[in-house]
Amino acid sequence: QKEVEQDPGPLSVPEGAIVSLNCTYSNSAFQYFMWYRQYSRKGPELLMYTYSSGNKEDGRFTAQVDKSSKYISLFIRDSQPSDSATYLCAMSAGAQKLVFGQGTRLTINP
Amino acid sequence: EAGVVQSPRYKIIEKKQPVAFWCNPISGHNTLYWYLQNLGQGPELLIRYENEEAVDDSQLPKDRFSAERLKGVDSTLKIQPAELGDSAVYLCASSPPQNTGELFFGEGSRLTVL
Repeated sequence: QKEVEQDPGPLSVPEGAIVSLNCTYSNSAFQYFMWYRQYSRKGPELLMYTYSSGNKEDGRFTAQVDKSSKYISLFIRDSQPSDSATYLCAMSAGAQKLVFGQGTRLTINP
Repeated sequence: EAGVVQSPRYKIIEKKQPVAFWCNPISGHNTLYWYLQNLGQGPELLIRYENEEAVDDSQLPKDRFSAERLKGVDSTLKIQPAELGDSAVYLCASSPPQNTGELFFGEGSRLTVL
């Protein structure tokens, strides 16, 4: 079993829809939780960063961490075609050694 | 501010040939990472440098892979000899000294081994 599990999709939704992306993990020592976005043939870029449990909102994006369930989520409101990308969850016990999920490929259809 | 620069972007070689990838991190970033990303998978850490010291190379296949970071700035990742299974994207990332956990990635070097 992998330390971090993420549904690879692909996920295809119409423009304007609310998107929910999720990851589960097994290592209870993880306390730094991140979402990276990766466009085709580009490197990942940090989208959201959360320390420990709770919610964090940034514009149309909301990240949630539930450490009791070992479950993290990323919500995208009013999704746009420009949101089409692969979304990678990542987490670590110490801030430097990240473990990535498999990535979910998302397509927003105009 | 310039981002992480990698070269070459694309490389096609025959199996058993050597190949090298180069990375120039963001100025002032003392931590440098090499990640391997297979198609449809997330990045997997190969090696992490703090300045010029390799502090985590536990996932680097040392029989054929080697890396160096001379003077604590640029880094080179080498594969010799390459195998068919090495076809992947090799990502370089860097992070600043205060290290909030955010990694800054380059665009990657895509290797195809024939």
